[in-house]
Amino acid sequence: KAGVTQTPRYLIKTRGQQVTLSCSPISGHRSVSWYQQTPGQGLQFLFEYFSETQRNKGNFPGRFSGRQFSNSRSEMNVSTLELGDSALYLCASSLGGANPTDTQYFGPGTRLTVL
Amino acid sequence: AQSVTQLGSHVSVSEGALVLLRCNYSSSVPPYLFWYVQYPNQGLQLLLKYTSAATLVKGINGFEAEFKKSETSFHLTKPSAHMSDAAEYFCAANAGGTSYGKLTFGQGTILTVHP
Repeated sequence: KAGVTQTPRYLIKTRGQQVTLSCSPISGHRSVSWYQQTPGQGLQFLFEYFSETQRNKGNFPGRFSGRQFSNSRSEMNVSTLELGDSALYLCASSLGGANPTDTQYFGPGTRLTVL
Repeated sequence: AQSVTQLGSHVSVSEGALVLLRCNYSSSVPPYLFWYVQYPNQGLQLLLKYTSAATLVKGINGFEAEFKKSETSFHLTKPSAHMSDAAEYFCAANAGGTSYGKLTFGQGTILTVHP
């Protein structure tokens, strides 16, 4: 079974621009979660989508948004980029039931650099 | 709010020595706990998870962890370190309830293995 894929793997943008990152979950998985990883703040939860609906959201400004399509693929968008948005963005997929022990399988991440 | 603390941002051991990585959680209700490993330029891989079925959990690559409610701990151990164990390790928790797809991570512990 193919793993979680994320595209692109690397991205360089300038301040003020916007960016869209893509995540394709493992086949059969209906939940996609997004995380931001930085050296200073560590791994922080952005949001989670299940069946095209956002079920949970972390403490990030409204510039960070996401969506999920009917095939469970997900995108996240960051508008008006700031230098502090430079990070590794990880997505994770899971079956998506209400089981809190559901394993999340992570993709390799998208490395975003904002200049 | 759920929080996870990993004691020691860096741990160094000799090959063949015991590995002990510490994780404590903060919650009035014991959460569901996970250990993940991250190799350079890769996503996170699940090592093991606590599902309340047993307090001693065995995972992949010879790792295990013991859930101790009285100490609010879930420390990760491996009897004999191998060079390939060098990586960054993260303890994570899901609070259950409506915490769909949300993992709260510790700050991570970088494990160095010396020959």
